[in-house]
Amino acid sequence: GAGVSQSPRYKVTKRGQDVTLRCDPISSHATLYWYQQALGQGPEFLTYFNYEAQPDKSGLPSDRFSAERPEGSISTLTIQRTEQRDSAMYRCASSYRAGDNEQYFGPGTRLTVT
Amino acid sequence: QQPVQSPQAVILREGEDAVINCSSSKALYSVHWYRQKHGEAPIFLMILLKGGEQKGHDKISASFNEKKQQSSLYLTASQLSYSGTYFCGTELSGTSYGKLTFGQGTILTVHP
Repeated sequence: GAGVSQSPRYKVTKRGQDVTLRCDPISSHATLYWYQQALGQGPEFLTYFNYEAQPDKSGLPSDRFSAERPEGSISTLTIQRTEQRDSAMYRCASSYRAGDNEQYFGPGTRLTVT
Repeated sequence: QQPVQSPQAVILREGEDAVINCSSSKALYSVHWYRQKHGEAPIFLMILLKGGEQKGHDKISASFNEKKQQSSLYLTASQLSYSGTYFCGTELSGTSYGKLTFGQGTILTVHP
């Protein structure tokens, strides 16, 4: 696609519910990153994929968070049993390859847990 | 581990210059600079790699001092469109897959 897209753009959920966020990277990009961005702060690394492999998930806050990219293109981030502290902007970024490449960020999903 | 940016905020008039600094306590492989406008996604500005040269395009340039683990972003003859929050993202030596740790941001406001 022309750019990185994410859906939904906004999600309001009740505490304890599961949510799944979707990222569609630029089609030629091998590498995909997930970030969490609190208001007024810089993005915070969660995990990344190189094609379908997930070599680093050290930034995932707890085992309630998981991500997958089964066919090396679209990725999903799932948060189980959501808590209020999970409320944040979740951004996806993609790059042509891992390493010294610019990352193109998507518009993000604003998650609010009530 | 989070890099420290300074200043936290800058207010300029159109045409004035600004410097934003980014400092890390760890050895760095690369520094990335992004600009984010309110309600929008961060937009890539440039990457500086260890052993690389100072980079720039148009009136925005940057340098990377590997020994001091510091990078500076230079904005000259600022334009209204430069307003936004600037983030540096650092990649540590020993990693090479683009895992970035972002600073807290510098808010730049350019007035007419």
